[in-house]
Amino acid sequence: KQEVTQIPAALSVPEGENLVLNCSFTDSAIYNLQWFRQDPGKGLTSLLLIQSSQREQTSGRLNASLDKSSGRSTLYIAASQPGDSATYLCAVNPYDYKLSFGAGTTVTVRA
Amino acid sequence: NAGVTQTPKFQVLKTGQSMTLQCAQDMNHEYMSWYRQDPGMGLRLIHYSVGAGITDQGEVPNGYNVSRSTTEDFPLRLLSAAPSQTSVYFCASSTLKTLGQGNIQYFGAGTRLSVL
Repeated sequence: KQEVTQIPAALSVPEGENLVLNCSFTDSAIYNLQWFRQDPGKGLTSLLLIQSSQREQTSGRLNASLDKSSGRSTLYIAASQPGDSATYLCAVNPYDYKLSFGAGTTVTVRA
Repeated sequence: NAGVTQTPKFQVLKTGQSMTLQCAQDMNHEYMSWYRQDPGMGLRLIHYSVGAGITDQGEVPNGYNVSRSTTEDFPLRLLSAAPSQTSVYFCASSTLKTLGQGNIQYFGAGTRLSVL
C-alpha cells in the first residue's frame, strides 16, 4: 500500500523567504506526482504535475522536483508572499488511477 | 465554465439517515472520483468511475454507494449515516486517456457533512 508523507506538517516564514516543502512516498512505481494547493474551506487546485519520466517541472515561482528512485519530491516556492499562505498537498498516481495523498503542509507567510 | 460542481455545500444528518451528495462536471471527463478529507489525514479515495456504467471501489468504500448513468454526473450515496462519516467530501474529474500520462484532476469545492 502506497504511503505518502509530507514533512513538516506546518511552516511559518517571513515574506520573501524561499519555501521548501517535502513529500515522500514508499512505492516508486508511480505514473506521476502532483502538487495541489488548498485554501481554507475550498477545494484543491493543481499547481504542478511531474510525470515519472521527468525530474522537475516549473511554473512561475514554483519548481517541483522528483526523485522516483528515492521516493521523494520537493516543491520550491521562491520569494514567498502572504498570498502563498495555504495548505499544500502532494499526490502520487500509480497505474490504477487510485491517487494517494499526503496529509499536507500548512504554510503561513508573515508580512 | 463551471468545472466540477458539488451540492450541497453543507449538510447535517442524524445517525441512520440517508442522503445523496451530488457531483456534476461539464468538461466531458471520463474519470470521476470521490474523496473524503479528515483532519490530519490526506484525502482518501472512496469510489471512482472510468466512464458511464463503470465504477470501482477505492480505499474506504464501506457505507457508500455510487452509480454513473451519465458522463456528467457521479452521485455519492450514504446508505445509513454514521458519526464516523463526518468529513469533508470532494469530487474530482479528469480525462481518462491522459490520466496516466500526466493529466491534472479538477476538484469541486467540497461538501461539509456532519452526522450527529
